[in-house]
Amino acid sequence: EADIYQTPRYLVIGTGKKITLECSQTMGHDKMYWYQQDPGMELHLIHYSYGVNSTEKGDLSSESTVSRIRTEHFPLTLESARPSHTSQYLCASTQSSAGELFFGEGSRLTVL
Amino acid sequence: QKEVEQNSGPLSVPEGAIASLNCTYSDRVSQSFFWYRQYSGKSPELIMSIYSNGDKEDGRFTAQLNKASQYVSLLIRDSQPSDSATYLCAVNIRGKSTFGDGTTLTVKP
Repeated sequence: EADIYQTPRYLVIGTGKKITLECSQTMGHDKMYWYQQDPGMELHLIHYSYGVNSTEKGDLSSESTVSRIRTEHFPLTLESARPSHTSQYLCASTQSSAGELFFGEGSRLTVL
Repeated sequence: QKEVEQNSGPLSVPEGAIASLNCTYSDRVSQSFFWYRQYSGKSPELIMSIYSNGDKEDGRFTAQLNKASQYVSLLIRDSQPSDSATYLCAVNIRGKSTFGDGTTLTVKP
């Protein structure tokens, strides 16, 4: 069973605030991903990492940044949140080269 | 053209019927194909993976892959109300999974 955790689950903040969404996995997976999903819409890849000190931008342009200092931890940061950042952010990981993903429960962000 | 396209929904079937979900992809380099189920307000969970042409069965679920036609499908036999969810087709291209829009399935008792 997958063990991947995201915090906070829900966050409501004002415009201009800095936020960090946490993602941790206990499976030792090398590959980790951040997807963004608006209600009823498809998932868009915004960041991914294939290992420590390796991060890449995904297919959807995002103003967020990520870091990968430890294998198990892949936080996402928004330096100055805006209402357009309101969305659900899903973290996922895999060890397989085939790419089956295990998802965390998601962080639902609302920026007022 | 989108990289992964799913048949437009929503799809409604009666309990006990077969639900058929379809997906096409554009990149012939794709090697791995997945179906995820996403309940409303929840995150996606993997239900099927398929890597070679043909059928793969797991319980009530059967995935079908035709690389020549760039087509993947999911059949759900003996559909149950608990199968009501959005089904996401995903294609792994060079280590990254690209998802379709999803097809929302409702199974009516």
